[in-house]
Amino acid sequence: GENVEQHPSTLSVQEGDSAVIKCTYSDSASNYFPWYKQELGKRPQLIIDIRSNVGEKKDQRIAVTLNKTAKHFSLHITETQPEDSAVYFCAASKGSARQLTFGSGTQLTVLP
Amino acid sequence: NAGVTQTPKFQVLKTGQSMTLQCAQDMNHEYMSWYRQDPGMGLRLIHYSVGAGITDQGEVPNGYNVSRSTTEDFPLRLLSAAPSQTSVYFCARSYLGGGQNEQFFGPGTRLTVL
Repeated sequence: GENVEQHPSTLSVQEGDSAVIKCTYSDSASNYFPWYKQELGKRPQLIIDIRSNVGEKKDQRIAVTLNKTAKHFSLHITETQPEDSAVYFCAASKGSARQLTFGSGTQLTVLP
Repeated sequence: NAGVTQTPKFQVLKTGQSMTLQCAQDMNHEYMSWYRQDPGMGLRLIHYSVGAGITDQGEVPNGYNVSRSTTEDFPLRLLSAAPSQTSVYFCARSYLGGGQNEQFFGPGTRLTVL
C-alpha cells in the first residue's frame, strides 16, 4: 500500500519567515495530495490540496508544489504568523478513492 | 461543526469492555470513514463506506466493526477494548462527486482503555 513520509517532525521559525514541509509518497498511482492543519485538541482541517495534473497551487500565503517524477510534494507558508502554529499533515490518495494515507505530521511553531 | 457530529467526546473503558462510537453527518454525503490518531503517527484509516449498506476495511481494521444502515450514520464498534486502542478517533465525510475530494472531519472522540 501507499506510504507517506513527512519531514521535519518539528519546525520553529521566526514570525515573518517562511516555512517548508516536505512529503514523499511511494505509490505512483496516487493523484490527490491534501494538506491538513490541526490545532491542539481540534479536528484536522483542509488548508490546500493539489492534483497530479498540476505542478503548483497557491492560496494567499500558502502554496503546494508537486514533483510527480520524484514522488514528493511540499507545503510552503510565507510571512508566517503566530496563528500558523499547529500540526500540519500531508496525505495522499489515488483514483476516485477517498481513502487517505497520512504522513506523521509536522509541529510548526512560529516564534513572535 | 463541518456537518459531522461525534459522540461521546471522551470515554474511559476497561479492558474487555465493548462500546460504540457514534458518527452522524447532515450533508447527505455518500462517503464516510473512521480514522484513529496516535501521537507521532498521523491518522490511520480504520474502516470506510461509500454508501448505505457498503463498508470496507482500511489500514488498521482489527478489533473494530462498522455498519452503514443509513446515509447519515456510521457507528464504530469496539468489540473487546484493549489498551492499544487508546487513541483519538475521527469520523469524516466526503462527497463522491467528480473532483471534490475534500474530507470533513468531526470533532473527535478521545478514548482511553485501562
